[in-house]
Amino acid sequence: DTGVSQNPRHKITKRGQNVTFRCDPISEHNRLYWYRQTLGQGPEFLTYFQNEAQLEKSRLLSDRFSAERPKGSFSTLEIQRTEQGDSAMYLCASSLVASGGNEQYFGPGTRLTVT
Amino acid sequence: GENVEQHPSTLSVQEGDSAVIKCTYSDSASNYFPWYKQELGKRPQLIIDIRSNVGEKKDQRIAVTLNKTAKHFSLHITETQPEDSAVYFCAAINNAGNMLTFGGGTRLMVKP
Repeated sequence: DTGVSQNPRHKITKRGQNVTFRCDPISEHNRLYWYRQTLGQGPEFLTYFQNEAQLEKSRLLSDRFSAERPKGSFSTLEIQRTEQGDSAMYLCASSLVASGGNEQYFGPGTRLTVT
Repeated sequence: GENVEQHPSTLSVQEGDSAVIKCTYSDSASNYFPWYKQELGKRPQLIIDIRSNVGEKKDQRIAVTLNKTAKHFSLHITETQPEDSAVYFCAAINNAGNMLTFGGGTRLMVKP
């Protein structure tokens, strides 16, 4: 499968614990995005990287959230001291920024449940 | 920032009928408008998109139209089939070309 992959697919954690998710983008895609989707809503932008540089962060991304893309390939999203309100689907997408290219392709997501 | 409104929130059609989903956006600088289909428990799948220099685009049974003046864009599905049943999201990209803002989604149900 050459699409965007995410691990784990499901994560159940207790409130206050830290969790880390991984995203592997489509090979050669230089942009990687993180979105959060709650039930019945559209995805909401969290942050994005161009290569290894984190270029924009949404105000939804509190200081408990941190994202990295150290070598410009895979990315990790860490949530510290999880809260019940963090329960959501965390989606990763990637795109190739070339002339006029904006298409973002999504991974299957990591569903986080905080108990 | 950009705001995208989507209507209707649910749409039920008979197999073979057409379905139309409409979206409006607020930022006149937005220049790229994709549509995603999301089946239950699956990833959003890009099904069609349109750029601001084009008024209409068609791909088999699906088409998208864009009215830049009115800041409206619409998804048209003809000859609907039960497998078209899913949640459809419209989106607009900001003028920096990075962040997608999504509409609230339309649950389409195609009755056989």
